[in-house]
Amino acid sequence: DAGVTQSPTHLIKTRGQHVTLRCSPISGHKSVSWYQQVLGQGPQFIFQYYEKEERGRGNFPDRFSARQFPNYSSELNVNALLLGDSALYLCASSLFLASSSYNEQFFGPGTRLTVL
Amino acid sequence: ELKVEQNPLFLSMQEGKNYTIYCNYSTTSDRLYWYRQDPGKSLESLFVLLSNGAVKQEGRLMASLDTKARLSTLHITAAVHDLSATYFCAVDIFPSTGGFKTIFGAGTRLFVKA
Repeated sequence: DAGVTQSPTHLIKTRGQHVTLRCSPISGHKSVSWYQQVLGQGPQFIFQYYEKEERGRGNFPDRFSARQFPNYSSELNVNALLLGDSALYLCASSLFLASSSYNEQFFGPGTRLTVL
Repeated sequence: ELKVEQNPLFLSMQEGKNYTIYCNYSTTSDRLYWYRQDPGKSLESLFVLLSNGAVKQEGRLMASLDTKARLSTLHITAAVHDLSATYFCAVDIFPSTGGFKTIFGAGTRLFVKA
């Protein structure tokens, strides 16, 4: 079985541009979460989606948005890019949403975004 | 808002030595994770700790959880160079929307010298 896949692997953009990052979860997984990892720091939670609905949002500006499709894949969109948006963007998938039962997250390889 | 603090943030140790990395978190949670990250790579899950007193071991690494003290430890026994990496602890919190957020510590950069 394929793990979580993300595309593209690397991306270079200039300030003010827009970017779309894509994630395909493990087959059967319905929950996708997005994280931003700036060099030298821990991952920061951006969004969680489950069954196409946003179920969690981190402290990121409205320039960041996401959606989940009927096949459970997801896109992260970032508008009006800033230099500070340069980071590794990680996607993680899990089976369920429920907080009452444990479900492990599996991380994809990430998309390295560089904003010049 | 939940804070997850790791210490030390940087650790340089000799092969064969033992050491412990600490992870404190500021609010109640009974789900704690340890991940390993090699430079330029994604996160590799090491341990999932789900209850007070949980202890898990894999090779030279052992993790434990004390939910009352809000503390987890990652103990390294007889370190080898291959353990050089960044280690993150992370904790789940559950907003009212029914989902969960995973909050990560800043990471401990471990370098094992031969």
